[in-house]
Amino acid sequence: KQEVTQIPAALSVPEGENLVLNCSFTDSAIYNLQWFRQDPGKGLTSLLLIQSSQREQTSGRLNASLDKSSGRSTLYIAASQPGDSATYLCAAKHTTTDSWGKLQFGAGTQVVVTP
Amino acid sequence: DVKVTQSSRYLVKRTGEKVFLECVQDMDHENMFWYRQDPGLGLRLIYFSYDVKMKEKGDIPEGYSVSREKKERFSLILESASTNQTSMYLCASSLDTSSYEQYFGPGTRLTVT
Repeated sequence: KQEVTQIPAALSVPEGENLVLNCSFTDSAIYNLQWFRQDPGKGLTSLLLIQSSQREQTSGRLNASLDKSSGRSTLYIAASQPGDSATYLCAAKHTTTDSWGKLQFGAGTQVVVTP
Repeated sequence: DVKVTQSSRYLVKRTGEKVFLECVQDMDHENMFWYRQDPGLGLRLIYFSYDVKMKEKGDIPEGYSVSREKKERFSLILESASTNQTSMYLCASSLDTSSYEQYFGPGTRLTVT
């Protein structure tokens, strides 16, 4: 069974510092890996989607990399701002026939950016 | 932009009541999903649907049923609500089951007393 792990569970950085969020997965047979942001009491907002054939994806200050061979993805947020404070979740989608597009989620990393 | 909406942000129900949670997406997506999210347990898949009137059980289907009569609408039904179903419920949709991303709604915080 695919397991997705996010370490650390919580992170606090001063404004302006770059954020590095880690996601590891045990089974490299994935369609893609998706990064989400969740604000307290709210739903998930999709940030980036990396297909299994890609090495990285970028959107503004966000950059996500994928290394299937080592089972890792990293989300980089440049020049962090207090508005980046949220919980960030990664989710891997399996390629097995019975997965039906099921995402396996990590537990998330709670980020606080202090002014 | 894809929009996934859920009928209520907050809901309070009594034990034993029948509860309907509604989800609507406006992008003609084939697949729709219901998750619940609990502290310490993360997101868990309850049910998903890959077409109208089609459904598959997720990881924790016990105590729930679903209905998909129209492509844009996916309903989660708690036949007889119990206190252990107090949770945040999240609906999602995606174009297909493989390469496309999932889009989530704002969530419904359900409290069963």
